[in-house]
Amino acid sequence: QVQLVQSGAEIKKPGASVKVSCKASGYTFTSYNVHWVRQAPGQGLEWVGIMEYTGDSYTAYAQRFQGRVTVTRDTSTSTVYMELSSLRAEDTAVYYCAREAPGGDFDYWGQGTLVAVSS
Amino acid sequence: QTVVTQEPSLTVSPGGTVTLTCASSTGAVTSGYFPNWFQQKPGQAPRTLIYGTTKKHSWTPARFSGSLLGGKAALTLSGVQPEDEAEYHCLLYYGRVLNWVSGGGTKLTVL
Repeated sequence: QVQLVQSGAEIKKPGASVKVSCKASGYTFTSYNVHWVRQAPGQGLEWVGIMEYTGDSYTAYAQRFQGRVTVTRDTSTSTVYMELSSLRAEDTAVYYCAREAPGGDFDYWGQGTLVAVSS
Repeated sequence: QTVVTQEPSLTVSPGGTVTLTCASSTGAVTSGYFPNWFQQKPGQAPRTLIYGTTKKHSWTPARFSGSLLGGKAALTLSGVQPEDEAEYHCLLYYGRVLNWVSGGGTKLTVL
C-alpha cells in the first residue's frame, strides 16, 4: 500500500534551518509529483512547493517562500526532502508531504512533521 | 494576491444536507482549477475526499459530492453523520506560476 512516512518533530531557533524528510513506499517513486503543504496552529493549509516526477527533478515554490525553501529528492531511497532556512516564529507549523496522482489528485499524505521555531 | 475563500464555519443537523463552497478572488472557479476537497479531524493529516471537481476516492463516503455552483467549487454532504464533524479544506490550481492555493478551511459542526 502507498505510504508516505515523514521524519520526527523538530525544535529550532530563529535563523536556523530545518530539513524534513518524506519516505515513499508502495508505488513507483519516480512516477508521481510530491508536494509540501504546511499548516500553522489553528490555521488553514498553505501550499509550499512541489517536486515533479520528471527526470530533471523540476521544482517550484510558493512565492512567499522563494529563496528560503529547497525541495530535493533521493531516488535511491525514495525520499523527498524539504529544507526551510532563516526560520522565524511564523514558520511554526505542521509540514505535510503529499503525493499528486494524475488529474491533480492529492491522494496520499504523510503523517505530518511539527516544526517549532522558538528562542 | 490570489485569495481562496471558504465559509469559516457551518452548522448542520444530523441527517441534514449542507454545501460548502470555495471561491477564487480571480473570478469563477472552473474545472481547470482541479478543485480538491480534504477532510481533516483534530490531530490528523488531511484526507482527500474529492479531486478534479467531482471525482471520488474508494474511501469517500457516497454522501459526499463535489460540483461547481455559481462560479465556485462546492462540496455537498447529504445525510450528514456525526462523524462528519471536521475541518474541510479546498485547494485550487492556478497554473505553473502560482501553482496551488488553499482556502482557510470550513469548520463543520454537526449539532
